[in-house]
Amino acid sequence: QKEVEQNSGPLSVPEGAIASLNCTYSDRGSQSFFWYRQYSGKSPELIMFIYSNGDKEDGRFTAQLNKASQYVSLLIRDSQPSDSATYLCAAGRSGNTGKLIFGQGTTLQVKP
Amino acid sequence: EPEVTQTPSHQVTQMGQEVILRCVPISNHLYFYWYRQILGQKVEFLVSFYNNEISEKSEIFDDQFSVERPDGSNFTLKIRSTKLEDSAMYFCASIVTGGRNSPLHFGNGTRLTVT
Repeated sequence: QKEVEQNSGPLSVPEGAIASLNCTYSDRGSQSFFWYRQYSGKSPELIMFIYSNGDKEDGRFTAQLNKASQYVSLLIRDSQPSDSATYLCAAGRSGNTGKLIFGQGTTLQVKP
Repeated sequence: EPEVTQTPSHQVTQMGQEVILRCVPISNHLYFYWYRQILGQKVEFLVSFYNNEISEKSEIFDDQFSVERPDGSNFTLKIRSTKLEDSAMYFCASIVTGGRNSPLHFGNGTRLTVT
């Protein structure tokens, strides 16, 4: 069974701090990794995707991928109360990045 | 920015009834998907559709489910005889190609409530 695992949280950080969200995956055939943000009752909203080992930065967000450890993370710098949401990690196989396996999500609370 | 559009936003139906959930994918996208999310649970893949046929489906997508692209713009999911456990958020998504630089874009979802 191919799985993507996340700590459900909640992860609570003060405003302005760095939030670190982690994810592991079981399918070594996974080649593409995505972070989505989901507000309650809303659809997943893409934040970032990463394919290569290492770091990828986009504004306040940094995604990190370690394929040897089957580990993906998302760092959010200067966390804002508006970042409070559930963060979904998802993995897909090469050539079929539309079929994703999602984790259960980590709930992030940013306290003012 | 182009969006995936889903209607209705909320559908209430009685057990055993047929429902059709509708989606208008982004116009230049070629691959189309349905996902569902039962309240409090993971987002789950249901089916992918390309070139007017199903390319892949999950175990969830049994004979009660069907998809169709009846014209050049709409993409529908039909549930023939709804069960209580079909209650969930259903998300349509589309993608330009199946390649690495083409992430999935989700519609706003249809909340299906089966009573």
